[in-house]
Amino acid sequence: DADVTQTPRNRITKTGKRIMLECSQTKGHDRMYWYRQDPGLGLRLIYYSFDVKDINKGEISDGYSVSRQAQAKFSLSLESAIPNQTALYFCATSDPGPRQGASYNEQFFGPGTRLTVL
Amino acid sequence: GENVEQHPSTLSVQEGDSAVIKCTYSDSASNYFPWYKQELGKRPQLIIDIRSNVGEKKDQRIAVTLNKTAKHFSLHITETQPEDSAVYFCAASQGDYKLSFGAGTTVTVRA
Repeated sequence: DADVTQTPRNRITKTGKRIMLECSQTKGHDRMYWYRQDPGLGLRLIYYSFDVKDINKGEISDGYSVSRQAQAKFSLSLESAIPNQTALYFCATSDPGPRQGASYNEQFFGPGTRLTVL
Repeated sequence: GENVEQHPSTLSVQEGDSAVIKCTYSDSASNYFPWYKQELGKRPQLIIDIRSNVGEKKDQRIAVTLNKTAKHFSLHITETQPEDSAVYFCAASQGDYKLSFGAGTTVTVRA
């Protein structure tokens, strides 16, 4: 089945380290997103991309950068990790076109990466 | 930007009873309102969505209502079952991609 995958699933790192979270998808979607989830705050959009050449900041982009290496790959980097970036990170994809049997613009989430910054 | 508030933060219901979750949004230009369900340890998944040109939408035991004038929308789950226990998130967006999510409601269905 077409899916969204994330690596690593869990990561513990130290303050000041550079870390990259990777997302791959086999859904053939053009749009990809990075969110972080914190208890009591819901999901907040970090960056989103409509295609390889189109990357946009979301609600909380400070301290993060992204790279869209191909239609199917979207990576999130923390250049110098800090403890308040400890969170659950989700990648998501969506397809802007109407598709039979699916909600218009449904976002499909990956399994998440739990990041702890000590 | 858009600000979405969601209430209550936790909800405990007896199996078979109904559950209602309410959300308000701030940006009158928002026109897309999805609801996502996240089971423990799982990824969020869309369960229902509504667009601003529709006042109500139903899918089996779940329904969503939208009041554009008051800028609020609600999720209704009838005949709750144990598998309805999860965290539910509402969201709003202008267009269809830059979603602003509520903080979530943890629903527990008691047997």
